[in-house]
Amino acid sequence: GENVEQHPSTLSVQEGDSAVIKCTYSDSASNYFPWYKQELGKRPQLIIDIRSNVGEKKDQRIAVTLNKTAKHFSLHITETQPEDSAVYFCAASITGGGADGLTFGKGTHLIIQP
Amino acid sequence: DVKVTQSSRYLVKRTGEKVFLECVQDMDHENMFWYRQDPGLGLRLIYFSYDVKMKEKGDIPEGYSVSREKKERFSLILESASTNQTSMYLCASRAPPGRAKNIQYFGAGTRLSVL
Repeated sequence: GENVEQHPSTLSVQEGDSAVIKCTYSDSASNYFPWYKQELGKRPQLIIDIRSNVGEKKDQRIAVTLNKTAKHFSLHITETQPEDSAVYFCAASITGGGADGLTFGKGTHLIIQP
Repeated sequence: DVKVTQSSRYLVKRTGEKVFLECVQDMDHENMFWYRQDPGLGLRLIYFSYDVKMKEKGDIPEGYSVSREKKERFSLILESASTNQTSMYLCASRAPPGRAKNIQYFGAGTRLSVL
């Protein structure tokens, strides 16, 4: 089955700086890569996703890049703000039929220092 | 807005008890999922269902079963709860691939403690 590795487990950055979280996946058939943000005591919420036919996607201060050859994908947050503090999870799945579940990374605790 | 509702936020049970965790979604989604979330381990898929009365094992199904008698409701069952099943349980639902976005929407979670 799919295996997703996520690094780092904890990331502390100064407010206003950029943050990068990296994930690798094992199954070359995976074609859907979402990122979820989970604030303390709350449910995970999708913040951005990318499909394997696209190399990069941006949404305001967040972007995701995908390297299919290397089986890497990364989340980039620019101009970080206190409300970006949360646990971020990457995930991978194969879509196109059935009810395939997501395989998640172990999470990155992002801390924004004032 | 999609609403995924889990019946309990906190649950305390004793070892050996039968435990039911309920999840209801209001978006007529065919696909529903149960995950458990543990510190340092992320979210792990227990079971999923692609339609009424259909179920498939996820990555860690041992000690669990599920029931999907109605489209909107997906139940996770611990036949005989054990202390290593103390965890946060998250339910999710999704429209099938090809219809709208392939997004999983999560419930608020049930924190289960087995004593």
